[in-house]
Amino acid sequence: AQSVTQLDSQVPVFEEAPVELRCNYSSSVSVYLFWYVQYPNQGLQLLLKYLSGSTLVKGINGFEAEFNKSQTSFHLRKPSVHISDTAEYFCAVSRYGGATNKLIFGTGTLLAVQP
Amino acid sequence: KAGVTQTPRYLIKTRGQQVTLSCSPISGHRSVSWYQQTPGQGLQFLFEYFSETQRNKGNFPGRFSGRQFSNSRSEMNVSTLELGDSALYLCASSLGTPDEAFFGQGTRLTVV
Repeated sequence: AQSVTQLDSQVPVFEEAPVELRCNYSSSVSVYLFWYVQYPNQGLQLLLKYLSGSTLVKGINGFEAEFNKSQTSFHLRKPSVHISDTAEYFCAVSRYGGATNKLIFGTGTLLAVQP
Repeated sequence: KAGVTQTPRYLIKTRGQQVTLSCSPISGHRSVSWYQQTPGQGLQFLFEYFSETQRNKGNFPGRFSGRQFSNSRSEMNVSTLELGDSALYLCASSLGTPDEAFFGQGTRLTVV
């Protein structure tokens, strides 16, 4: 079975400051990794994904994440945040090679960008 | 191209009733998954359909069921509604391989 831990339920940050949202996972098998963003009263939008290859993944809106297999982490970073980045961010995993698209989500991190 | 469409967006039902939610995936996508989102439990996987067959199911009671039609549209049904079923229900579609899942805007179900 897989599980995802997002230790920070809320991360306050000032506009134009850098930010890192942490994600750790547990799995007995290889996994694919994803970060999704959810704005109020909306569905989820994919920010970036790691399927294979380079461990540094670049996504939309200036976000990037690095897959660290030894530390089972997939932290999300942005060098300079904007007010519009205020949203809830979810880390998720799915089983590598499995005949399923089932996603296991973390509990989410609310990124609160202050002016 | 059109995104994932979920109907209705909002729904209010009375305890004990049943409800049916609909999801139209992106054209060409054969996989449809359903998730329940609540403040207490977060995002939880309900079930996944691929080419009209359920190929994965989450840990929910039998009151929760679903199906997928030949055009890939999917419905989920909840019978004998309980207050705890109040949630945002999200549908996601994908091509069928482990890849990006596209989410709809969800159906907000309130049980009173």
